Amino acid sequence: DVVMTQSPLSLPVTLGQPASISCRSSQSLVHSDGNTHLNWFQQRPGQSPRRLIYKVSNRDSGVPDRFSGSGSGTDFTLKISRVEAEDVGVYYCMQGTHWPRTFGQGTKVEIK
Amino acid sequence: QVQLVESGGGLVKPGGSLRLSCAASGFTFSDYYMSWIRQAPGKGLEWVSYISSSGSTINYADSVKGRVTISRDNAKNSLYLQMNSLRAEDTAVYYCVSGVNSRWGPDYWGQGTLVTVSS
Repeated sequence: DVVMTQSPLSLPVTLGQPASISCRSSQSLVHSDGNTHLNWFQQRPGQSPRRLIYKVSNRDSGVPDRFSGSGSGTDFTLKISRVEAEDVGVYYCMQGTHWPRTFGQGTKVEIK
Repeated sequence: QVQLVESGGGLVKPGGSLRLSCAASGFTFSDYYMSWIRQAPGKGLEWVSYISSSGSTINYADSVKGRVTISRDNAKNSLYLQMNSLRAEDTAVYYCVSGVNSRWGPDYWGQGTLVTVSS
């Protein structure tokens, strides 16, 4: 199985400051269709996860533009340009290139 | 609006069985793949099983292979997960999820149903 490794696992951030989460995969996520299927999910406290970004950098509808994704191959990053209170939660990367689909361990974002 | 409503969770003894159901509405069910994703208490996410929109393709995580069966009824807009030989490590919230393309991860998530395996 493809192992997804996130860092850090805990990220205390000051409101209005940027935040960055790294996600590395044990194999390349470039699919035979030419796309790289790395997705990001947010899980707010007490809620189900929701997708923020698919195919590395494509934001879902309704996702604020302070969220951005980047990366290639095996190395990916989720950035929040200015953290807001509603961004508190756990963030997961997920690879969709290989079976079984696998998630990172999660990064908990909290306000300092 | 899209709704995925899980049911069937509960407390079961090790070795027991449980059938989870998911009622879908608000989208064309037969056009979407469906999956079950679970989350053990305080832990991360694990993709359990996948079924394509037509039901012709099915995948299972190694951790549940041979013990669970996923199925769907497109006429009833429903998804199922038959779970047998349950173990303590199967204890988790089970989410019903759906999407257009499984490579992009789920578009929609239910609220989850808790399965607790304990004697």
